[in-house]
Amino acid sequence: DTEVTQTPKHLVMGMTNKKSLKCEQHMGHRAMYWYKQKAKKPPELMFVYSYEKLSINESVPSRFSPECPNSSLLNLHLHALQPEDSALYLCASSQELAGTGYGYTFGSGTRLTVV
Amino acid sequence: KNQVEQSPQSLIILEGKNCTLQCNYTVSPFSNLRWYKQDTGRGPVSLTIMTFSENTKSNGRYTATLDADTKQSSLHITASQLSDSASYICVVTGGSYIPTFGRGTSLIVHP
Repeated sequence: DTEVTQTPKHLVMGMTNKKSLKCEQHMGHRAMYWYKQKAKKPPELMFVYSYEKLSINESVPSRFSPECPNSSLLNLHLHALQPEDSALYLCASSQELAGTGYGYTFGSGTRLTVV
Repeated sequence: KNQVEQSPQSLIILEGKNCTLQCNYTVSPFSNLRWYKQDTGRGPVSLTIMTFSENTKSNGRYTATLDADTKQSSLHITASQLSDSASYICVVTGGSYIPTFGRGTSLIVHP
């Protein structure tokens, strides 16, 4: 298995809803990442987990809450989002943190629309 | 500040033609450089990865070059196909292990 699987592929939620994005990999990668990408812009790093511990939080609002239950799973819990949070949310994983050059694999993304 | 600049911003070519995309970076120290292909609304897919000691790497019709002295990379696409229409992103990682993304080149291949 050489994939990063993200679910759901599409999500529409109201500003008062609570939802979660899921990311799963079975490549034995120990670093996992959440990115946010707006149209025609490069991905922006949100969170980094290394060995299931949160390593980096790029000043993301608290309405986004990451969780790494085990080495294969990464969740992003969403609550009280704003319409400007609508974007493509990408999960990625790598064998170790990215600077070492070990394979860096992206999922297909979740297209989130906040109404 | 670490930066990755890509050119051109967009490119339109005819099917079957070749093209070359450019990437200049200021990331230092340098660890690796990756080229990704991203279809609209999808996640980026890795094409090549190069470290300091590598100056060329191929993946089918895609050939990437790296000049670590001038901090430049290129991605050459041979015999373009309609399915090559996508955004091509250059990503450079340095000592901080946080990748720096270029803004991408949008390639459109016309029949």
